[in-house]
Amino acid sequence: LAKTTQPISMDSYEGQEVNITCSHNNIATNDYITWYQQFPSQGPRFIIQGYKTKVTNEVASLFIPADRKSSTLSLPRVSLSDTAVYYCLVGGITGGGNKLTFGTGTQLKVEL
Amino acid sequence: DADVTQTPRNRITKTGKRIMLECSQTKGHDRMYWYRQDPGLGLRLIYYSFDVKDINKGEISDGYSVSRQAQAKFSLSLESAIPNQTALYFCATSDFPGQGKHEQFFGPGTRLTVL
Repeated sequence: LAKTTQPISMDSYEGQEVNITCSHNNIATNDYITWYQQFPSQGPRFIIQGYKTKVTNEVASLFIPADRKSSTLSLPRVSLSDTAVYYCLVGGITGGGNKLTFGTGTQLKVEL
Repeated sequence: DADVTQTPRNRITKTGKRIMLECSQTKGHDRMYWYRQDPGLGLRLIYYSFDVKDINKGEISDGYSVSRQAQAKFSLSLESAIPNQTALYFCATSDFPGQGKHEQFFGPGTRLTVL
């Protein structure tokens, strides 16, 4: 299984850009990188997914270097409502579900 | 996500009791999953099913069993609950990956306490 490592916590202020990096040294060729957001007492929610280079959607960007051994979730201009736990997930798309590995998550705290 | 529901939302039980957690979805997805979340350990996959006749063990299946009664229903059972199964349990669903995207939709979770 592809093991992932993330910082346990990060602090930021409203309006700042936040970058959360995930390390996944043994990522497999077929593995995609997915990020989820989780608020207290709720299930995780999909944010963004990528395979290589850069992916951008309406809420975030995902940067993946050529060696794919790490990835960085970028949240532009965070607000208080972005305070949550962010999970990096590495897994195969067409492969077995046992290849879906969540990291331990990064607790992001956004303050005024 | 209201499309994925879990019952019960909270349950307190005693060691040795049989417990069933139920998951239903209206998204029409073939794939369903059960995860367990413990503080500091993230989410760990217990079992998953890619269709009604398919059941697969995940990372931590010991002590658990599942039943896929229909496309929309996936139940998780603890045949004889023990205190270290106290955790938050999530059900998730996903469609067959298309265009390289694989998004899972999670239910609200069931908080289980085993005394």
